[in-house]
Amino acid sequence: AQSVTQLGSHVSVSEGALVLLRCNYSSSVPPYLFWYVQYPNQGLQLLLKYTTGATLVKGINGFEAEFKKSETSFHLTKPSAHMSDAAEYFCAVSLPRGGYQKVTFGTGTKLQVIP
Amino acid sequence: ETGVTQTPRHLVMGMTNKKSLKCEQHLGHNAMYWYKQSAKKPLELMFVYSLEERVENNSVPSRFSPECPNSSHLFLHLHTLQPEDSALYLCASSQGGGGASPLHFGNGTRLTVT
Repeated sequence: AQSVTQLGSHVSVSEGALVLLRCNYSSSVPPYLFWYVQYPNQGLQLLLKYTTGATLVKGINGFEAEFKKSETSFHLTKPSAHMSDAAEYFCAVSLPRGGYQKVTFGTGTKLQVIP
Repeated sequence: ETGVTQTPRHLVMGMTNKKSLKCEQHLGHNAMYWYKQSAKKPLELMFVYSLEERVENNSVPSRFSPECPNSSHLFLHLHTLQPEDSALYLCASSQGGGGASPLHFGNGTRLTVT
C-alpha cells in the first residue's frame, strides 16, 4: 500500500522568497516519487521525479526536491518565487504494475505568490 | 500534434443525455488512464488500460463506460449522470514497464451535469 500526505492545502509566499512545499509518503517498496504542477484550466505536468541514485533532484523552472528516506519525505523547494509559479502542486508516489503505473496523488497544495 | 489531446474541453449535459469524452495520445505510450478531479478531493483513478486491455476499474459506477479501441485512443462514454459527477476529467498516458515512467496528462474536459 502507498499513500501521500501534503501538509498545507494553501501556501502563500512573497515574490522572491523561498518556496517550500511539504510531502511525506508511505510505501511498502522503494518508492518512485514525483512532483506535478497544474496551472489553471490545464492538466498536470511533470516537474521532477526521483527514481534511484542522487537524492537531490532538479526539475524544471528552478524547482528541486530532496528524497529523505529516514524522514519518508520528498519536499519541493525553489530559492526565489516568481509570479508565474502560482499554481497547484501535487506530490505522487508510483508503484509499477506490470505494464502501467499505480500512482497515488496527494491532495495538492495551491501556491499563491504575492507581489 | 504532440502529447495528449482531450476533446471537448467543456461539456454541459443533462442527466438523461448520452455523451462521450475523447482522448488521443501521440507519444507511443502503451498505457492510458482516466482520472476524475473534483474540488477539495484527491485525484481519483477511474480506469486504466494497458495494451488496450482494461486492468483497473476502481469501483466506478456503470454510468461511466470506458473504451480503448487502440493504444492511441481512449473514450469515456457517459449516460444518465448525476450532478455530483460534475468535475474535471483528465486523461493520461504512460510508457509501461516500470514505476519510473511519469504520467502525461491532457488538459481535461470540464463536465457540468445539470
